[in-house]
Amino acid sequence: QVQLQESGPGLVKPSQTLSLTCTVSGGSISSGSYYWSWIRQPAGKGLEWIGRIYTSGSTNYNPSLRSRVTISADTSKNQFSLKLNSMTAADTAVYYCARDRHSVGPTLGGFDYWGQGTLVTVSS
Amino acid sequence: DIQLTQSPSSLSASVGDRVTITCRASQSIGSYLNWYQQKPGKAPKLLIYAASSLQSGVPSRFSGSGSGTDFTLTFSSLQPEDFATYYCQQSYSTPKTFGPGTKVEIK
Repeated sequence: QVQLQESGPGLVKPSQTLSLTCTVSGGSISSGSYYWSWIRQPAGKGLEWIGRIYTSGSTNYNPSLRSRVTISADTSKNQFSLKLNSMTAADTAVYYCARDRHSVGPTLGGFDYWGQGTLVTVSS
Repeated sequence: DIQLTQSPSSLSASVGDRVTITCRASQSIGSYLNWYQQKPGKAPKLLIYAASSLQSGVPSRFSGSGSGTDFTLTFSSLQPEDFATYYCQQSYSTPKTFGPGTKVEIK
């Protein structure tokens, strides 16, 4: 059974950089069938896809956040990470990591495994 | 970006009711449409992928249909554990986008 677990600080000061890590167990992030994504959700609001990384190291980002986001992976630790700089109160949200099935395949994509989420609050 | 709209934004229904939620895409996305269930304080759970395929372990009372721009999620007989918020999501192109959600509440 694949499991994902987010880790990182729950409180970030305005203008600082958020760093979160997702540790994957029960499956390898080096598998070619999946991307590994970050998604966030402000309290009481909907879901926003932040970006993803593939086993090759290639990344895709949401244009709305592209200038501030970096997603990277450490295959030796089976982890992938999110860095979001210039944080503001608008970035306060629950951040999820998720396995993103490749759209070129029978499933046509979809996020099939998710971490439990970690609340990040931006406040001085 | 592909925009997704959902209707209704919320609904009240009784246990045993047949319920349908709709999702509309701003452009044709074929069958690249997924549905998720989210309960308070929990991560979303994938219910339906490729518009109409049931994710492993999901009860058969859930079904999905549609293609192109119009999609539906149907509950054949609403159960107490189904009261939650439901989101559609397109996997046709990046950025991946979600609908705004439909909250299903107990009448």
